[in-house]
Amino acid sequence: GQSLEQPSEVTAVEGAIVQINCTYQTSGFYGLSWYQQHDGGAPTFLSYNALDGLEETGRFSSFLSRSDSYGYLLLQELQMKDSASYFCAVSQDSSYKLIFGSGTRLLVRP
Amino acid sequence: SAVISQKPSRDICQRGTSLTIQCQVDSQVTMMFWYRQQPGQSLTLIATANQGSEATYESGFVIDKFPISRPNLTFSTLTVSNMSPEDSSIYLCSTIGTEHRLAGATSSYNEQFFGPGTRLTVL
Repeated sequence: GQSLEQPSEVTAVEGAIVQINCTYQTSGFYGLSWYQQHDGGAPTFLSYNALDGLEETGRFSSFLSRSDSYGYLLLQELQMKDSASYFCAVSQDSSYKLIFGSGTRLLVRP
Repeated sequence: SAVISQKPSRDICQRGTSLTIQCQVDSQVTMMFWYRQQPGQSLTLIATANQGSEATYESGFVIDKFPISRPNLTFSTLTVSNMSPEDSSIYLCSTIGTEHRLAGATSSYNEQFFGPGTRLTVL
């Protein structure tokens, strides 16, 4: 079967750094994406990794290790507005279809 | 960024009835997807809406239950048929960012834009 594992909840304080891990087991792998979703909102794209290594976009960075079937999203200088659910998603091929992880609910405390 | 709208934004329906959800995109796109997100859960792909041909359904989803139309490159509908309380979910459509007229130049490969969702409650 296919599975993407993420921690269900993470709590951190404002200004801190938090890492959300994602391990995947899929029949194919093309790339790993991360999406943010606030309560009642639509998922919004954060990053995409197709190759091993770190991709940095402002306060957010995403890492991929294809050999370990593992990736993470790193959020720096946490702000209250970062409280949301974060989903990793695998593309298995060039069809753009996504398989989503179970999601990690991040709570940022003052 | 791309504008995707959905109608209705929410609905409460009776068991056994059907609801058609509309998804409108502000530019022509070839790829359009329908997802389901049950309360507090992850997103699950229902099907790919193909323009000019039948939708391609994922395992566990069938056309009789979730008929999809895609009459042109900016519009699609998803019908949830013969509803039961287990169908209570948020239904979202999405498109590929690189296809959007305004976002394409800056959109990352594989970025998807999602509509605001339709929150369905079946009693």
